[in-house]
Amino acid sequence: KNEVEQSPQNLTAQEGEFITINCSYSVGISALHWLQQHPGGGIVSLFMLSSGKKKHGRLIATINIQEKHSSLHITASHPRDSAVYICAQPQGGSEKLVFGKGTKLTVNP
Amino acid sequence: KAGVTQTPRYLIKTRGQQVTLSCSPISGHRSVSWYQQTPGQGLQFLFEYFSETQRNKGNFPGRFSGRQFSNSRSEMNVSTLELGDSALYLCASSLALGSYNEQFFGPGTRLTVL
Repeated sequence: KNEVEQSPQNLTAQEGEFITINCSYSVGISALHWLQQHPGGGIVSLFMLSSGKKKHGRLIATINIQEKHSSLHITASHPRDSAVYICAQPQGGSEKLVFGKGTKLTVNP
Repeated sequence: KAGVTQTPRYLIKTRGQQVTLSCSPISGHRSVSWYQQTPGQGLQFLFEYFSETQRNKGNFPGRFSGRQFSNSRSEMNVSTLELGDSALYLCASSLALGSYNEQFFGPGTRLTVL
């Protein structure tokens, strides 16, 4: 059974802090997705990665295939980063994603 | 380029009724997936369509069905609604099948069953 675990479930930070959200999965992967969901429901795809590291602005995603672990980092966090961050792993060769429970991030000014 | 659109955005139904939700993918995208999001279960996969064919189905009862049209637009239907079907229903489109394709999500349809 493919399981995706995220930690922490909730995270509160002060503006400017460095944030790390972790994602562990149980089976080998072809790609892992990081998604952002703002209040109201809309989901935005942040990263899709299968190895190494990707960076977009203040966001950095890393993955360690051997340890079956990925991290999402936010540098110089800002209140607008407040959202739920979800990691997801596709099953097999399809788009069938298995999702973590999400990490609710609150960044206070 | 327009994003993924879903209609309607909000829907209120009563138990026993049926509902049809619509999803229009990004132009050129041929794969559409549907997801259900509830506070208790989080995000769960419902179906995946590519070239008008259902390629995969999640662990949901037969009351949940869907289809995809030749223009890649997709609909999902839920019959004999139950209170537990209240959820945010999201669709996502991608260029093709396969784990390396980025998915683009629509805004969702929030269904409330009374």
